[in-house]
Amino acid sequence: GAGVSQSPSNKVTEKGKDVELRCDPISGHTALYWYRQSLGQGLEFLIYFQGNSAPDKSGLPSDRFSAERTGGSVSTLTIQRTQQEDSAVYLCASSPPTGALSGANVLTFGAGSRLTVL
Amino acid sequence: AQSVAQPEDQVNVAEGNPLTVKCTYSVSGNPYLFWYVQYPNRGLQFLLKYITGDNLVKGSYGFEAEFNKSQTSFHLKKPSALVSDSALYFCAVRDKGMNTGFQKLVFGTGTRLLVSP
Repeated sequence: GAGVSQSPSNKVTEKGKDVELRCDPISGHTALYWYRQSLGQGLEFLIYFQGNSAPDKSGLPSDRFSAERTGGSVSTLTIQRTQQEDSAVYLCASSPPTGALSGANVLTFGAGSRLTVL
Repeated sequence: AQSVAQPEDQVNVAEGNPLTVKCTYSVSGNPYLFWYVQYPNRGLQFLLKYITGDNLVKGSYGFEAEFNKSQTSFHLKKPSALVSDSALYFCAVRDKGMNTGFQKLVFGTGTRLLVSP
């Protein structure tokens, strides 16, 4: 696609429910990131997928959070038994394939999924 | 582990005046450095990056940033601010490292820039 697409754009859920957030990256981008943006907290890294390598899950805040990426494309971030502190905007980003300057690849962000846990 | 610090939560500047948004970084090796901007109700957009070479990097919308290795800083600057520059600005760093295929981008906490007419 032309850009990174995220759905839903807004999600309101009750405490204890599970939620799934979807990210559709730019076609051909092998790297995919999830970040969380909370009010006053900046951008918090959650998880990073690069091609077929094992993901870097070091940013996931608890075992209630998980993410998968099917077929090297679409990714789903799942939050189980949601808590009020999970309320935030969840941002997905993708970047082009690894190369000699892979570290310099620019991330393209989606518009985000705003999660509100009541 | 790599990190960035943005010491100012907010920067206020009058339109037409020069602006600086500060960023300092910490990495084990040589850094890739980035600035992103988030306008109200819009997604994050790339502004500029430093990879290597000239320490002064020019980016979108008239912004530039200066890489200073001795001070481990990468401050964002613009000679003449516009009201439309009002937004949230994020500095980010990635450690080049040895494993270039597996380096995450770490962001600062953001600095809100408010340009008054």
